[in-house]
Amino acid sequence: SQTIHQWPATLVQPVGSPLSLECTVEGTSNPNLYWYRQAAGRGLQLLFYSIGIDQISSEVPQNLSASRPQDRQFILSSKKLLLSDSGFYLCAWMGTGPMTGELFFGEGSRLTVL
Amino acid sequence: QQPVQSPQAVILREGEDAVINCSSSKALYSVHWYRQKHGEAPVFLMILLKGGEQKGHEKISASFNEKKQQSSLYLTASQLSYSGTYFCGTEKGNYGQNFVFGPGTRLSVLP
Repeated sequence: SQTIHQWPATLVQPVGSPLSLECTVEGTSNPNLYWYRQAAGRGLQLLFYSIGIDQISSEVPQNLSASRPQDRQFILSSKKLLLSDSGFYLCAWMGTGPMTGELFFGEGSRLTVL
Repeated sequence: QQPVQSPQAVILREGEDAVINCSSSKALYSVHWYRQKHGEAPVFLMILLKGGEQKGHEKISASFNEKKQQSSLYLTASQLSYSGTYFCGTEKGNYGQNFVFGPGTRLSVLP
């Protein structure tokens, strides 16, 4: 069966510090991968999506970046965090091919920037 | 482009019905519905792929009008466990590209 893990679950970082969130999918190959951010009490904002290794589309211009060094690994990074980067970050995967199906989410990473 | 949802929030008594609407200004290949409990990741409810298609999950059903670019989620005889925020999601193509969510509808079911 397929599983998705992301870590760390919680982190508190000072403004200007770097960030690295990691997401790994198991039990499937060549998935579409996504990073979403959810500010407190708000909706799900699509940050990045990837259809393959090193193929990443950015949906929102900001100080975040994403990388996909392996088929089932998706990393979200920042060189210098801003206060506005605080939120609940969710990694997700979806099977590839036409007539797409369910989006599966990881447990989420809660980031507080102070 | 993000779909639009209405209403923003709904408060119900247990056993009452509710309808949540989702619309888009662009052509839709599919519509997904998810429910999120506070502090948790969203959970998939259903996907609708065809114009006019209806699906059901227990007492939750949905319709999708491809021509009108609209979908509605119907919650019948609501239960306390239905409380949460409901999101509709749409994609740019039919291969999962640029999968975006609406702003959400917060549903509160009271005893």
